[in-house]
Amino acid sequence: SQQGEEDPQALSIQEGENATMNCSYKTSINNLQWYRQNSGRGLVHLILIRSNEREKHSGRLRVTLDTSKKSSSLLITASRAADTASYFCATGGEGSNYKLTFGKGTLLTVNP
Amino acid sequence: DAGITQSPRHKVTETGTPVTLRCHQTENHRYMYWYRQDPGHGLRLIHYSYGVKDTDKGEVSDGYSVSRSKTEDFLLTLESATSSQTSVYFCAISESVGQGFFGYGYTFGSGTRLTVV
Repeated sequence: SQQGEEDPQALSIQEGENATMNCSYKTSINNLQWYRQNSGRGLVHLILIRSNEREKHSGRLRVTLDTSKKSSSLLITASRAADTASYFCATGGEGSNYKLTFGKGTLLTVNP
Repeated sequence: DAGITQSPRHKVTETGTPVTLRCHQTENHRYMYWYRQDPGHGLRLIHYSYGVKDTDKGEVSDGYSVSRSKTEDFLLTLESATSSQTSVYFCAISESVGQGFFGYGYTFGSGTRLTVV
């Protein structure tokens, strides 16, 4: 069963705009991670946020985590056409942080 | 992807035949995983390994077996392929959990597209 559920399933924006994707999960976690997948390729790790962290930044990426609501968001600022990809959240459970459960992903399309 | 390769990249096989997919890493990571990716389901864990000869089942392990006789190689075998096993299979690696209480990100291979006819 899926632990994380991304929302929306698909998002289409113009270059330069910000993109926000959300992830909700069901059980307690040790960490939450975001991955990007370009069409026909493997997943690429973007960022990991620990359960005791509330916000993390990496370049144009900003991730927030609200453990009380069991939710996370990924913000991509000043989007580019090259950001077009599917984005997945993945959760590592307490006691099994080495084993990730992935959501179904959000397909982001950035139009030039 | 640097440090991890999957073979073959594409395979078409007939129902009922055994199939073995290979994952090879050069990172000396302890943990290795096999996932399958299907439309509408995202990625689902098939099996994983936490060391040589140490493996465990994931959420969709029926019909699959794995072996890890060397740190660098993790093999996934479909014992008797069925059409429902048509999918894209991804291998992933991660560092030892002992070095980081909060875990590490995965590095994924490029995937194997398997079609069972």
